[in-house]
Amino acid sequence: QSVLTQPPSVSAAPGQKVTISCSGSSSNIGDNYVSWYQHLPGTAPKLLIYDNNKRPSGIPDRFSGSKSGTSATLGITGLQTGDEADYYCGTWDSSLSAGVFGGGTKLTVL
Amino acid sequence: QLQLQESGPGLVKPSETLSLTCTVSGGSINSSDYYWGWIRQPPGKGLEYIGNIYYSGYTYYNPSLRSRVTISIDTSKNQFSLKLSSATAADTAVYYCARHRLGARDFDYWGQGTLVTVSS
Repeated sequence: QSVLTQPPSVSAAPGQKVTISCSGSSSNIGDNYVSWYQHLPGTAPKLLIYDNNKRPSGIPDRFSGSKSGTSATLGITGLQTGDEADYYCGTWDSSLSAGVFGGGTKLTVL
Repeated sequence: QLQLQESGPGLVKPSETLSLTCTVSGGSINSSDYYWGWIRQPPGKGLEYIGNIYYSGYTYYNPSLRSRVTISIDTSKNQFSLKLSSATAADTAVYYCARHRLGARDFDYWGQGTLVTVSS
C-alpha cells in the first residue's frame, strides 16, 4: 500500500489530453514539493516535473504539474504513442522523515 | 553529465545480506546540495524509497526497512553503498541509485538499475 494514491491506469487517444492524480496528506504533499517521474520498462525513471510545476531542461511543455492542498496532478497534452509509460508521483513525508512514492499509473495511448 | 552506476551481486541467498554500490561520475558526491539515495522496484510493483545519505554520513531510511538497512558513503571513491540484511524473496527487485536534491526533494539523476534476485 503506497503512501500516495494514484489511479492504476488511464488511457486516451493520440493528440488528446490526460490527467493523472496523486493524493496524499498534510505530512507529505501538503507540506512538501511534488515531483513526477516517467518510467519506461527497462530504463531509469526520468524526472518530468519538480517543485510541483517546474520542468527540467529538455522536458516538453506538453507536460505540466499542479498542486492543491494534499493533492497533485500531472497533465499531458498532445498525447503521443511514445508517452506510453508508467508515471509516478513522489514527495517527502515530514512525519516519516522519508521519501514516498505513489503506486504508479500506467498510461495507454490508444 | 552526471552518471550513476549500480554494481553488486545479482543473486543473493535468503537470510544473507544484499550489498550494492553506486559509483558516481561526472560530479562530486562531496556536495552540500544533495543527498544520495536508493530506490527499488519489485517485479510488477511500483517504486519504493529505501533511504538517503548525505556527504557527512547523515541518513534517512524508510521506516518499514530501517531495521535491516544500512547506507554508507565513501567520498574518497565517489561511491555510496546499500546493505540490506536478512534478505527474503520479497527483496527481489530492480535497485536504483539516484541523486536527491535538498531543496526540491526530488530524484533528478538515476542509475540504470540492477536486478537483484533473492533465491537459494
